[in-house]
Amino acid sequence: NAGVTQTPKFRVLKTGQSMTLLCAQDMNHEYMYWYRQDPGMGLRLIHYSVGEGTTAKGEVPDGYNVSRLKKQNFLLGLESAAPSQTSVYFCASSWSYYGYTFGSGTRLTVV
Amino acid sequence: DQQVKQNSPSLSVQEGRISILNCDYTNSMFDYFLWYKKYPAEGPTFLISISSIKDKNEDGRFTVFLNKSAKHLSLHIVPSQPGDSAVYFCAASLSGSARQLTFGSGTQLTVLP
Repeated sequence: NAGVTQTPKFRVLKTGQSMTLLCAQDMNHEYMYWYRQDPGMGLRLIHYSVGEGTTAKGEVPDGYNVSRLKKQNFLLGLESAAPSQTSVYFCASSWSYYGYTFGSGTRLTVV
Repeated sequence: DQQVKQNSPSLSVQEGRISILNCDYTNSMFDYFLWYKKYPAEGPTFLISISSIKDKNEDGRFTVFLNKSAKHLSLHIVPSQPGDSAVYFCAASLSGSARQLTFGSGTQLTVLP
C-alpha cells in the first residue's frame, strides 16, 4: 500500500525559479489537500480539491497554483519561488474528516 | 489569528506517567476535533478524534476530552512510553463539503525512560 506519495522529498531552489510538487494517492479519495508546515505555525492549508477538475484556495494560497487533472494526482506549483516559501510541504488525501492520510513531506529551501 | 492554539511547545514526562496535551479553540462552529502524531521526516498520522456531541473518547492508552463551554480539549496518554515521543497536533473541522482541518502549532512530547 503506497498511500500518499510526494515527489520530490527535498529541493533547493533559487529565488525566482519555478517548480512543481507532485502528490499521488492510490486510495481513490475524493478530497486532496496541500499544507505547509513552518516552525511555531503548525500546518496551514494552501489549496485543496474536492474532486477531479476542482480546486479551491485555503488559508495561505498566495504564490501557489494547483491542478487536479486526474483524481489520483494533485500538483502544487510555485511560479516564482521566494525565500518566504521555504517550508515543509505536506499533501494529504481523505474520504472523510477523520480519514486524512498524509504523505511524508517535501522539504523545500529557497535561497 | 489562530483559531486552534496549542500553548505548550514542549512537554517532558517520565515513562509510565500520564502525559496531558492541551488545545484551545476560538471558533464555536467547529464540530469535530482530532489529534495527529508526527515523527521526524514523516507525515502526520491520525491518532484519535471526538465529535462535538461527545465529551470523551477512549482508544487504548489514549483519551481525548472535550469541554465545549471552555472551548478546550485535551489528550491524555496513560501510561506514557518512549515511543510516544513525537509532535502532537490538535486539529478542528467545520461542517462542510471539503472538511478542511485547521491545525494547532503542535506540542513536542518527550517521554524520558
